[in-house]
Amino acid sequence: KAGVTQTPRYLIKTRGQQVTLSCSPISGHRSVSWYQQTPGQGLQFLFEYFSETQRNKGNFPGRFSGRQFSNSRSEMNVSTLELGDSALYLCASSLFSGGTGEQFFGPGTRLTVL
Amino acid sequence: GENVEQHPSTLSVQEGDSAVIKCTYSDSASNYFPWYKQELGKGSQLIIDIRSNVGEKKDQRIAVTLNKTAKHFSLHITETQPEDSAVYFCAASYDKFYFGSGTKLNVKP
Repeated sequence: KAGVTQTPRYLIKTRGQQVTLSCSPISGHRSVSWYQQTPGQGLQFLFEYFSETQRNKGNFPGRFSGRQFSNSRSEMNVSTLELGDSALYLCASSLFSGGTGEQFFGPGTRLTVL
Repeated sequence: GENVEQHPSTLSVQEGDSAVIKCTYSDSASNYFPWYKQELGKGSQLIIDIRSNVGEKKDQRIAVTLNKTAKHFSLHITETQPEDSAVYFCAASYDKFYFGSGTKLNVKP
């Protein structure tokens, strides 16, 4: 069974630009969660999608948005990039929604904002 | 919301020694506590988890203990090996996952 895939693996952008990251969950998983990982901060929850609906949202500004397609693939968009958005963005897929079951993580997208 | 604190941030042990990583959480509603191992370029993998109706769980060299009263849980790795070197994250969840800040474990051969 293929694992969670994320594309691209690396991105370099400049301030003010926008970026779209993609995540393909494990086949059969309908929940996709997104996290931002920065040194010393651990994983900060961005949002979770389940069956194309946003089920939960973290404390990030509205510049961070996401969506999920009917095949469960998910995209995350960050508009008007800031230097502080430089981070590793991880997505995780799960059979169940709401923090009740095992999450399977992708390798992440390393975003650098110059 | 939930707040998870993890200590230490870095841990260096000699091969064969034991390693212990501790996490505390704040919300008594949390009922699921997984531990993840993150290796560079490999993503994060679940290594062990425990639910709130259990006090201890063991899987070969890895064990997790949970104290619901004190709201803390710990990861224990015995007979450490160089391949255990990685960043370990704890998490607590009830409606979503709240992660600790991570522990970088270095096992010296």
